[in-house]
Amino acid sequence: DIQMTQSPSSLSASVGDRVTITCRASQGINNYLAWFQQKPGKAPKSLIYAASSLQSGVPSKFSGSGSGTDFTLTISSLQPEDFATYYCQQYNSFPYTFGQGTKLEI
Amino acid sequence: QVQLQESGPGLVKPSQTLSLTCTVSRASISSGNYYWSWIRQHPGKGLEWIGYIYYSGSTYYNPSLKSRVLISVDTSKNQFSLKMISVTAADTAVYYCARADDDTSGSFYFASWGQGTLVTVSS
Repeated sequence: DIQMTQSPSSLSASVGDRVTITCRASQGINNYLAWFQQKPGKAPKSLIYAASSLQSGVPSKFSGSGSGTDFTLTISSLQPEDFATYYCQQYNSFPYTFGQGTKLEI
Repeated sequence: QVQLQESGPGLVKPSQTLSLTCTVSRASISSGNYYWSWIRQHPGKGLEWIGYIYYSGSTYYNPSLKSRVLISVDTSKNQFSLKMISVTAADTAVYYCARADDDTSGSFYFASWGQGTLVTVSS
């Protein structure tokens, strides 16, 4: 299985900040990488697919980059509603696997 | 905007079978171009892909669960289902159904999710 490792596991930031979360795959996954946002008690929400494509309806403050094994999710101008847990996920090969999550806290 | 809704028992006894159904609305399972998925999340933990199914019945499973899992589709009801046999406390989790969309390259990512349902395995 491909292991997905996110860093950091938790991150403290302030409203208005710009933050970057990193995701590393244990082997190359081309650009088959998705990012999700999850709030407590809610289902994950798709933000980014194909490493850098923005899901319809998601604000452009979210951006993704990377290819191969190293990927980043950047969130600009943090607002209170952005504080959540973020997951990366590879869909290059079965079984699909997720990172352990990054909790973004105020 | 597709909507997905999980349903099924919230409590299952150890060694018994977990059965969940996902009802799809505002989209047709038969339309193709999507895979219909099950994903679970253990309490306070990360996400685990269980498997998915195409409308034709083709399935792909996580090898770690494959021996205990069956995903099926009922296009007449616009539903798909999950059965997991011989459950233990380790199968206690929130179970999500999701639609996997083509990212335009022929690979599929989880674009839309149901709200999830908690299944507890306990006697």
